[in-house]
Amino acid sequence: DTVLTQSPALAVSPGERVTISCRASESVSTLMHWYQQKPGQQPTLLIYLASNLESGVPARFSGSGSGTDFTLTIDPVEADDTATYYCQQSWNDPLTFGSGTKLEIK
Amino acid sequence: QVQLKESGPGLVQPSQTLSLTCTVSGFSLTSYSVHWVRQHSGKSLEWMGRMWSDGDTSYNSAFTSRLSISRDTSKSQVFLKMNSLQTEDTGTYYCARNQPRTGSWDYWGQGVMVTVSS
Repeated sequence: DTVLTQSPALAVSPGERVTISCRASESVSTLMHWYQQKPGQQPTLLIYLASNLESGVPARFSGSGSGTDFTLTIDPVEADDTATYYCQQSWNDPLTFGSGTKLEIK
Repeated sequence: QVQLKESGPGLVQPSQTLSLTCTVSGFSLTSYSVHWVRQHSGKSLEWMGRMWSDGDTSYNSAFTSRLSISRDTSKSQVFLKMNSLQTEDTGTYYCARNQPRTGSWDYWGQGVMVTVSS
């Protein structure tokens, strides 16, 4: 299985720039996607194919990377961005998700 | 508009079978694949399997022996059945639509919470 490793938690102040990383145990090309999950809600798609912004998602969100190293950037961070962020690969089955990065806004 | 909604029992006894339904609207099951994924409380997401748009299925090997996914296109429903439930199967179960152009999951249901307990 392709293991996706994320840092567990981050805390930043509003207006700052934050980067959330995701490292894959093998190359997934650009078949990496990012989701946001707020408490008590279902995940929602933010970024698809590593760097493409999903329709309706604020341009403060961006993604980059290919192969095994990927990054989700939020700039500037807003209070409403408090959530857990997951990366997910669709390169091979079983589809896998990272463990999630919980973002706290100070 | 595109919607997915999971339904099923909130409580299942150990060793029994879980049956969930994902009812979709705003798109056709013959054009889009649908995934099932579960989430233990406070934990990450675990892919269970998919119903392909052509009616074929794929499963995570972690569940293969006890999981079955089927559909009724006339009712726009995808079904999940999993037997031999244990307390570790407690969690929230989601269905989600696969965007064929990208492989991302562009719409998700609200999820259904399932507790396995006697």
